[in-house]
Amino acid sequence: NAGVTQTPKFQVLKTGQSMTLQCAQDMNHNSMYWYRQDPGMGLRLIYYSASEGTTDKGEVPNGYNVSRLNKREFSLRLESAAPSQTSVYFCASRVPTGGGDNSPLHFGNGTRLTVT
Amino acid sequence: AQTVTQSQPEMSVQEAETVTLSCTYDTSESNYYLFWYKQPPSRQMILVIRQEAYKQQNATENRFSVNFQKAAKSFSLKISDSQLGDTAMYFCAFMKHAVGDYKLSFGAGTTVTVRA
Repeated sequence: NAGVTQTPKFQVLKTGQSMTLQCAQDMNHNSMYWYRQDPGMGLRLIYYSASEGTTDKGEVPNGYNVSRLNKREFSLRLESAAPSQTSVYFCASRVPTGGGDNSPLHFGNGTRLTVT
Repeated sequence: AQTVTQSQPEMSVQEAETVTLSCTYDTSESNYYLFWYKQPPSRQMILVIRQEAYKQQNATENRFSVNFQKAAKSFSLKISDSQLGDTAMYFCAFMKHAVGDYKLSFGAGTTVTVRA
């Protein structure tokens, strides 16, 4: 039972490079999320997808794009990486079909991204 | 937008003692959900406990319990009989009860260190 799988675990980029963070869940969850975690700031929502085919901006969407490829997969793309995007990125999912509103988030193990 | 505040950046507790983490939130919603998540050094995010705002009874999960004060918009976490494995960062999170709006807002976190 894999849960939420994120790749890669670590990445170093140079300013201006692009990359895509991959996320897949096998729990038949409807909603998927991308958060970034920075010291002293907790987790801040970048984008989320309430269901397949929809995406919405969160608190800090600038510099990012997302794709909800299908129900399982939700990718996060940095088109032109900046040092301010150095962070730990978490993908999460919740709410199985027929699940309750109080369903918790299930998180991946995170990607540590450094932009030099 | 909802704001979640954790006013204690760090807490230290002796093994077997009790520690209480504070969390306050700001919302105009009447129905919502509150969560505490634990993040050990492994970086994994683990659900500790959840509370529905419409329930007056405080949630309890083994050694973890909450004190939910709706009028005061306060949601503290008590860890009883602290164990070394409780050493982690703890995040308080808020989610409003609204169809189609499934964003969770997190506090900045409290680092808990359990001393042997």
